[in-house]
Amino acid sequence: SQQGEEDPQALSIQEGENATMNCSYKTSINNLQWYRQNSGRGLVHLILIRSNEREKHSGRLRVTLDTSKKSSSLLITASRAADTASYFCATERERGTSYGKLTFGQGTILTVHP
Amino acid sequence: DVKVTQSSRYLVKRTGEKVFLECVQDMDHENMFWYRQDPGLGLRLIYFSYDVKMKEKGDIPEGYSVSREKKERFSLILESASTNQTSMYLCASSPHTGGKNIQYFGAGTRLSVL
Repeated sequence: SQQGEEDPQALSIQEGENATMNCSYKTSINNLQWYRQNSGRGLVHLILIRSNEREKHSGRLRVTLDTSKKSSSLLITASRAADTASYFCATERERGTSYGKLTFGQGTILTVHP
Repeated sequence: DVKVTQSSRYLVKRTGEKVFLECVQDMDHENMFWYRQDPGLGLRLIYFSYDVKMKEKGDIPEGYSVSREKKERFSLILESASTNQTSMYLCASSPHTGGKNIQYFGAGTRLSVL
C-alpha cells in the first residue's frame, strides 16, 4: 500500500513563481525524503528531513514536516523551466529493521512554463 | 559520485520468456532495491537485499525473483514474462547509515512484454 500520497497530482506554473507540493502519510516515520525524476529517468534525491525536525532548506528548496498531521510540503522558490519534473515524497518507517526501505508516494508532475 | 548502472535502457521480450535485468553499483552499498513504476501507481517495491545472498520480498514480489551473488550486483528475474509485467523497472542502492538512508537510482529499464 502507498504510505505517501501527494497533492496536487499535477501543477503548472510560470517561471519565477513558487511551487508547493504536499505529501501525507499514515504511519510513524523515521524520516521523510523528497526525490525528483526527469521524464523517463531514474530518481534523484533532493532532501531528507528527520522526524524530529520541522523545517529544512537546501538552495531554492524548503521542506516542512508536521508529524502531528502526518504531512510534509516541498516548496520550490523562483521556479525555472529546468525544474519541470515529477516530484516524489518517500517515507522510512520508524520501527524495526527497515534496511532503509522507503515507501513512495504517487508523485506530483510539475510543469514550469518559460 | 555514486553510480548505479542498469544494463539496458529498453528491452522488448515475448510472453513466456525468461528475462534478466541487471543492476550494478560502485559505492559498496549494503542495500539494493528493485522497483517497478507504473502511471498512477508510483514506485512499488518488488524485492530488496541488505547483504550478499540475502533477499526480502517487497510489496509485489509475485512473478519475480532476485539474485545477489556479489555485493555490487543485484539481478531481477522474470521467470516467465507476462504482458502485465510491461513497466519501467528501477534499481536503487543505499548504504547502512542508521536512519537516514538515501537511495541512489539507476536510469531505469523500460520493459515491454509482447
